[in-house]
Amino acid sequence: DTAVSQTPKYLVTQMGNDKSIKCEQNLGHDTMYWYKQDSKKFLKIMFSYNNKELIINETVPNRFSPKSPDKAHLNLHINSLELGDSAVYFCASSLHPAPNGNTIYFGEGSWLTVV
Amino acid sequence: KQEVTQIPAALSVPEGENLVLNCSFTDSAIYNLQWFRQDPGKGLTSLLLIQSSQREQTSGRLNASLDKSSGRSTLYIAASQPGDSATYLCALSSNTGKLIFGQGTTLQVKP
Repeated sequence: DTAVSQTPKYLVTQMGNDKSIKCEQNLGHDTMYWYKQDSKKFLKIMFSYNNKELIINETVPNRFSPKSPDKAHLNLHINSLELGDSAVYFCASSLHPAPNGNTIYFGEGSWLTVV
Repeated sequence: KQEVTQIPAALSVPEGENLVLNCSFTDSAIYNLQWFRQDPGKGLTSLLLIQSSQREQTSGRLNASLDKSSGRSTLYIAASQPGDSATYLCALSSNTGKLIFGQGTTLQVKP
């Protein structure tokens, strides 16, 4: 059973398009996250939701809009895609919001390429 | 601003060697520190979590230490195996709720 699953795994799209990445966790966790890993492999947090409420909103262009219909799902919608949005996007979850003593579980990533 | 540095960026060792991966950070006000493993094309797998009040954690052949006063953590891998080849990332959790990652050390264990 996959704990944190995200779709699609690979996405190639043209500049200017709008796309969504979906994420679901079956761990019963309250908190979910979106991280971005750039070409230099740095992982940076984008958003965090706790029980469907936004608790962390890092400095991210407002073209990125997360949506959490329930605490098991956190989707990422990106409008007007730009070349610089090309990266790997990781969804993650933890039992409670950080800081805490809980392990964070990551999905396998969604490789986004904007051409 | 917290900065996390991992040295070396890449490491190649023969099978069977014991090795140490390093992680340093600039602000000792951390909540906990985690070591992750990332395989190519895969997500991150948590290996060890050390709370700020702890000095080390062990799991199998892995031992992670934490020295907040010197801003350092190490991940010790005993008797390395080719299956240990991966990128190892350390990440700090501060009271802001954000996990701050290092750039990772890519390890290759040669048979």
